[in-house]
Amino acid sequence: GAVVSQHPSWVICKSGTSVKIECRSLDFQATTMFWYRQFPKQSLMLMATSNEGSKATYEQGVEKDKFLINHASLTLSTLTVTSAHPEDSSFYICSARDRLAGAFGELFFGEGSRLTVL
Amino acid sequence: RKEVEQDPGPFNVPEGATVAFNCTYSNSASQSFFWYRQDCRKEPKLLMSVYSSGNEDGRFTAQLNRASQYISLLIRDSKLSDSATYLCVVRGNTDKLIFGTGTRLQVFP
Repeated sequence: GAVVSQHPSWVICKSGTSVKIECRSLDFQATTMFWYRQFPKQSLMLMATSNEGSKATYEQGVEKDKFLINHASLTLSTLTVTSAHPEDSSFYICSARDRLAGAFGELFFGEGSRLTVL
Repeated sequence: RKEVEQDPGPFNVPEGATVAFNCTYSNSASQSFFWYRQDCRKEPKLLMSVYSSGNEDGRFTAQLNRASQYISLLIRDSKLSDSATYLCVVRGNTDKLIFGTGTRLQVFP
């Protein structure tokens, strides 16, 4: 099946620093990728929709200046958590859809990135 | 009210048991329905789509009741490897997926 890779899997950083998480579709091209966040024992919450070549669309309550999303190519989207604080510690997961599968094609998930901010 | 609601469990069942999970959704315009499985500290993986006519995949059976806005998942002959969190997922008329909080299943020997 299609593979989506996230990097890094784990990251620990100091409060106030920025962290970049990469999401790559390895065997297909994705015009759209989605970024989710999951706190312990909670559901995945959609943060933003990443669109290749244009600005990301953020969900209500998600600060676009804090969570910078760049989707510069058809196989890579990045999420940068700027000035991270302990409350940003979470499991960040991306998903991507093959552009050839259409708007309702299956979503493939990355392995997730666990961020711990000290 | 949450858009997708599930009983968080945990459901503790012995091997070989049959277990059923339920899920309700609030948006009557929802069009697609799925069950995902998520292992601890891992990404969710698609288990099966759910169709109005009901569908089966081996030991797993999914049902959808649009009138009641209710989705179910039945697991027969539970295996130890079935232990995981099962996520009910709904999609409306956009391409966004809405996840339930999940129901945790623990199968014991």
